[in-house]
Amino acid sequence: EVQLVESGGGLVQPGRSLRLSCAASGFTFDDYAMHWVRQAPGKGLEWVSGISWNSGSIGYVDSGKGRFIISRDNAKNSLYLQMNSLRVEDTALYYCAKDIWFREHWPKGEDYGMDVWGQGTTVTVSS
Amino acid sequence: SYELTQPPSVSVSPGQTARITCSGDALPKQYTYWYQQKPGQAPVLVIYKDSERPSGIPERFSGSSSGTTVTLTISGVQAEDEADYYCQSADSSGTSHVVFGGGTKLTVL
Repeated sequence: EVQLVESGGGLVQPGRSLRLSCAASGFTFDDYAMHWVRQAPGKGLEWVSGISWNSGSIGYVDSGKGRFIISRDNAKNSLYLQMNSLRVEDTALYYCAKDIWFREHWPKGEDYGMDVWGQGTTVTVSS
Repeated sequence: SYELTQPPSVSVSPGQTARITCSGDALPKQYTYWYQQKPGQAPVLVIYKDSERPSGIPERFSGSSSGTTVTLTISGVQAEDEADYYCQSADSSGTSHVVFGGGTKLTVL
């Protein structure tokens, strides 16, 4: 069974740091890009960051540039998100998601979609 | 920054057809993906590559594309289809970015 399990969320003060982890199983982890997507309470989905299968391509939402660092350890089937200088507006449920495309074999140019999602880990930034 | 626009809400009676649109300037160049999210649950992919249906997704879910607008169609809507629906696409500028629409709440009357 394909599964993603997030961990590392919690309550943290503004300006502090937090590291999220996502443990993957049931598929060949190092063949797929991975993403972090968040959802603030009562709001819609927001893509936070993505990393290609070989870590050669990385992207961040504008509000996360310079503060968030995505990484992966293919030997451990794990995805990470280091979040620094946290803000109240970073409060959200953070989902880990697997990309649908095998090793960037995109049908027509750079493309991303998410076919497997974890259940999320909650991050609350508050003083 | 690139944006995808969805209507905030759509309402239909059971058995009718629901259509949810998503508009974006780059959609002719990028595929669109659709997700269903029920309260308290993680999103589920229901359509990929504009119109392909993943295994396990009922045939009543379909997708189409025309210019800068893509449409998720749910035929013969059932009560269990009541959920939030999000479209998603990649930013075509080569920045490795992903964009979600604001979401549409489907209400089954």
